[in-house]
Amino acid sequence: AQSVTQLDSQVPVFEEAPVELRCNYSSSVSVYLFWYVQYPNQGLQLLLKYLSGSTLVKSINGFEAEFNKSQTSFHLRKPSVHISDTAEYFCAVSEKSSGYSTLTFGKGTMLLVSP
Amino acid sequence: GAVVSQHPSRVICKSGTSVKIECRSLDFQATTMFWYRQFPKQSLMLMATSNEGSKATYEQGVEKDKFLINHASLTLSTLTVTSAHPEDSSFYICSARSRRGGTDTQYFGPGTRLTVL
Repeated sequence: AQSVTQLDSQVPVFEEAPVELRCNYSSSVSVYLFWYVQYPNQGLQLLLKYLSGSTLVKSINGFEAEFNKSQTSFHLRKPSVHISDTAEYFCAVSEKSSGYSTLTFGKGTMLLVSP
Repeated sequence: GAVVSQHPSRVICKSGTSVKIECRSLDFQATTMFWYRQFPKQSLMLMATSNEGSKATYEQGVEKDKFLINHASLTLSTLTVTSAHPEDSSFYICSARSRRGGTDTQYFGPGTRLTVL
């Protein structure tokens, strides 16, 4: 079974500052990794994903995450945040297998961007 | 692309009534859909996996007779909360599995806020 740990429940940051949201996972097999963002009273939106290939993946709005197999991590970063980035961010993992496995989510990190 | 809708977005009902929530994949076919439940300030908990044309697979601790799931077509899954009680009040989110472009990804609906009085 896999598990996901998001160590920070809340990360306050000032606008235009850099941010890193941490995610570590545990699994006995190879995994796919995802970051989802949830705005208040809305569903989840896929931000970015790692399936294979380059370990650095990027989203269209400036976020990036790097898969580190040795540290079993998939931290999310942005060099300069905006007020509009305020949201809940969920890291998720699914196991690579011959069939599809379900997503396991971390508890989420609330990113609070203030002016 | 890969849009998933849910209806209704918000519902308030009396205790003892049943509520149906629809989940639709608008621009792709989804043989598999998932139903999650999210409590305030918590993560998503998978309730069940819905497979088109077959019975849903429920996670441990989820009452299948209380949360009825039907996946009648490749674009529609429904969740019916039967005889709802206040403790069933929650945010219910569905997702649909897409294999578009050869990759396997879940796309989520906007969620349904259920309040049972």
